Amino acid sequence: NAGVTQTPKFQVLKTGQSMTLQCAQDMNHNSMYWYRQDPGMGLRLIYYSASEGTTDKGEVPNGYNVSRLNKREFSLRLESAAPSQTSVYFCASNRMGGTDTQYFGPGTRLTVL
Amino acid sequence: AQTVTQSQPEMSVQEAETVTLSCTYDTSESDYYLFWYKQPPSRQMILVIRQEAYKQQNATENRFSVNFQKAAKSFSLKISDSQLGDAAMYFCAYHFRWAGGTSYGKLTFGQGTILTVHP
Repeated sequence: NAGVTQTPKFQVLKTGQSMTLQCAQDMNHNSMYWYRQDPGMGLRLIYYSASEGTTDKGEVPNGYNVSRLNKREFSLRLESAAPSQTSVYFCASNRMGGTDTQYFGPGTRLTVL
Repeated sequence: AQTVTQSQPEMSVQEAETVTLSCTYDTSESDYYLFWYKQPPSRQMILVIRQEAYKQQNATENRFSVNFQKAAKSFSLKISDSQLGDAAMYFCAYHFRWAGGTSYGKLTFGQGTILTVHP
């Protein structure tokens, strides 16, 4: 049982480049989330998907887009990367929104030069 | 808006001793969850313990226990018999218990406390 997986683990981009972070869960969870973690701060919610077919903005959505591809997969896209998006990105999932513990993937360390 | 505050940026403890990490939060809601997550150097976020606000009994998981004071909006984590493997960043987190609205499933995190365990 892999839980929540994320690819890639590390990525370096140049300003203006685009990329997609991939997340998949094998726990049959309905809800999925993308967070970012900056030094000295806790995690902040970028986007979430309450259930397959729905997505919504979190606390810091600017510069990002998401796709809930199916129940298992939730991707995060940076269309034109900026140095301010240098961060560690975490994907998480749970059975149902505000009623259950979220489980996290191992994170992706992204550096934008 | 909900906020979570961890006032101790760093704490240290001797192996086998007990340490308490502090957390306070601010919310106008009455029904919510509180969590402690551990983040070791591997970066993985690991759930340590969870507390439902409607439960008066403090949650316990082996060597980890909480002191939940709802009126004071305080949620501290006690680690007993500390082990070297407990060294990590610890995050306190909150989410509103409701399947809908803008706070749907949104975890609000504190800034974290780095715990060092000395042999």
